Amino acid sequence: AQSVTQPDIHITVSEGASLELRCNYSYGATPYLFWYVQSPGQGLQLLLKYFSGDTLVQGIKGFEAEFKRSQSSFNLRKPSVHWSDAAEYFCAVGTGANNLFFGTGTRLTVIP
Amino acid sequence: DVKVTQSSRYLVKRTGEKVFLECVQDMDHENMFWYRQDPGLGLRLIYFSYDVKMKEKGDIPEGYSVSREKKERFSLILESASTNQTSMYLCASRTLAGGIGEQFFGPGTRLTVL
Repeated sequence: AQSVTQPDIHITVSEGASLELRCNYSYGATPYLFWYVQSPGQGLQLLLKYFSGDTLVQGIKGFEAEFKRSQSSFNLRKPSVHWSDAAEYFCAVGTGANNLFFGTGTRLTVIP
Repeated sequence: DVKVTQSSRYLVKRTGEKVFLECVQDMDHENMFWYRQDPGLGLRLIYFSYDVKMKEKGDIPEGYSVSREKKERFSLILESASTNQTSMYLCASRTLAGGIGEQFFGPGTRLTVL
């Protein structure tokens, strides 16, 4: 069965520091992988996605993620965090069917 | 840009009421989805629809039903609301043109059942 694990429930970083949010998935075939961001009171916005090809993908707002098949991971990174990045981040895996399976989310707090 | 709208941002209902949550997308997407979001549980799929008049149960369909009479509209129905259905409800849509694409989300409806 498919599953997604985001081991960090809450992360706090200083503005300007680098960020890495972890995501591990379980799926028998090549997955489709997504990172979404949810600002308070809002719906989810797509940051980036991986379907195939280059394992390092670039997204919006300066985010990137790297697919590592050997580690079943798709970690999200940003070299320098801005206060506006404070939000909740969700990793998701898509299968050949229509569903997305979401992780439980990581809440990011940015301190000045 | 794809736009997914939901009829209400906040809704307060009483136990036993019938509740309708409406979702409309404007990009002619084939697939539409209803999720509920609860702290510590992430998003869980309630129902999805491949196309008009087609629906499939998701992971937590109990206590819910759906309707898709037109391609752009997907309704979630709580036949008899209960307090454990207090949650954030998110609608999403997706096109399959070009392969598996991302889902586009609405802003959510925060439902409180008293």
